[in-house]
Amino acid sequence: AQSVTQPDIHITVSEGASLELRCNYSYGATPYLFWYVQSPGQGLQLLLKYFSGDTLVQGIKGFEAEFKRSQSSFNLRKPSVHWSDAAEYFCAVGARAAGNKLTFGGGTRVLVKP
Amino acid sequence: DAGVIQSPRHEVTEMGQEVTLRCKPISGHDYLFWYRQTMMRGLELLIYFNNNVPIDDSGMPEDRFSAKMPNASFSTLKIQPSEPRDSAVYFCASSTNSDYTFGSGTRLTVV
Repeated sequence: AQSVTQPDIHITVSEGASLELRCNYSYGATPYLFWYVQSPGQGLQLLLKYFSGDTLVQGIKGFEAEFKRSQSSFNLRKPSVHWSDAAEYFCAVGARAAGNKLTFGGGTRVLVKP
Repeated sequence: DAGVIQSPRHEVTEMGQEVTLRCKPISGHDYLFWYRQTMMRGLELLIYFNNNVPIDDSGMPEDRFSAKMPNASFSTLKIQPSEPRDSAVYFCASSTNSDYTFGSGTRLTVV
């Protein structure tokens, strides 16, 4: 069975500072990997995804993520955080061989200090 | 395409009433998923369909929950009777290969 762990429940970062959110997954083969962002009361917005090819993936809003097979990780990064990045971030894993279903991590809430 | 369309956006109902949530997936997507989001349990998969056939309903919490997909363009999630602990945001998503799209969700409050 596939699983996802986001070790950090909350992260506080100053505006303009860099941000890294951790994601570790468990799955036997190469999965699809996703990062979603959710603002309060809103739906899930896709930031980026990986399913093959270049292990460094660029997404929207200046985010990027790197797939590291040896570490079973897919960490999300942003070089300079804006106040509007305050939200909850979810990592998810899926695979066609697993019925294409997505399994989500518990989420990381990001607070941005002025 | 208008994306995955869910209705209603908000639903407030009394305990014991029947609730029906609706979802229209993206045309051409062969998978449809129902997720529930709560503070305590996060995002959990309830059930999913492939080509309109239910594949895995092991996430459905109890017999009060049922889901159908009568055709490729429509699915329902029904709760009968509803209970306060069913209060949550319910998301529908559709996919094909690695392309997933989520609806805006239905916020259900059972009082």
